[in-house]
Amino acid sequence: QKEVEQDPGPLSVPEGAIVSLNCTYSNSAFQYFMWYRQYSRKGPELLMYTYSSGNKEDGRFTAQVDKSSKYISLFIRDSQPSDSATYLCAMSADKAAGNKLTFGGGTRVLVKP
Amino acid sequence: DTGVSQNPRHKITKRGQNVTFRCDPISEHNRLYWYRQTLGQGPEFLTYFQNEAQLEKSRLLSDRFSAERPKGSFSTLEIQRTEQGDSAMYLCASIRPTRGGNEQFFGPGTRLTVL
Repeated sequence: QKEVEQDPGPLSVPEGAIVSLNCTYSNSAFQYFMWYRQYSRKGPELLMYTYSSGNKEDGRFTAQVDKSSKYISLFIRDSQPSDSATYLCAMSADKAAGNKLTFGGGTRVLVKP
Repeated sequence: DTGVSQNPRHKITKRGQNVTFRCDPISEHNRLYWYRQTLGQGPEFLTYFQNEAQLEKSRLLSDRFSAERPKGSFSTLEIQRTEQGDSAMYLCASIRPTRGGNEQFFGPGTRLTVL
């Protein structure tokens, strides 16, 4: 079983809808949680970064972390066709562990005009 | 451009050849990471450097792989005697760890195809 599980999708939504993405994980040492967006054949682009549990909002994006359930979510409001991409969750333990990231497999999202 | 840069962007090679990739991190970022990503999967950690010191290597990094960061700035990743299974995107990321901070910024990657 992988340390970080993510539904591969694809997730298809109409333009303007809310996109809901999530990941589950098994390693209770993870403290830092990130969401990356990756367009085809490009490097991952950092979208959201959260430390420990709680919510964080940035424009159309909201990230939630529930450490008690080992579950993280990303919501994209008012989705646009340009949001069509693969979304990767990533997480790491503390600085002493090297900050190396463990990724989920990514969810493909398609926003239809 | 002050982001992470990687060269070359694409590399096609024949099985058995050696290849070398370069990563230039964001200046002032003292930690540099290498990851490998195969099609349809998330990136997997290979190794990382703090300044010029290589602090950890994944079990994915076989003895055919070697990474260096000689002056604590750019890094190179060399694969010797390439195999078809080495075909992947090789990603570099950098960070300046601060208390509570771990935002890793990735380069565009080097896509390797081994024929």
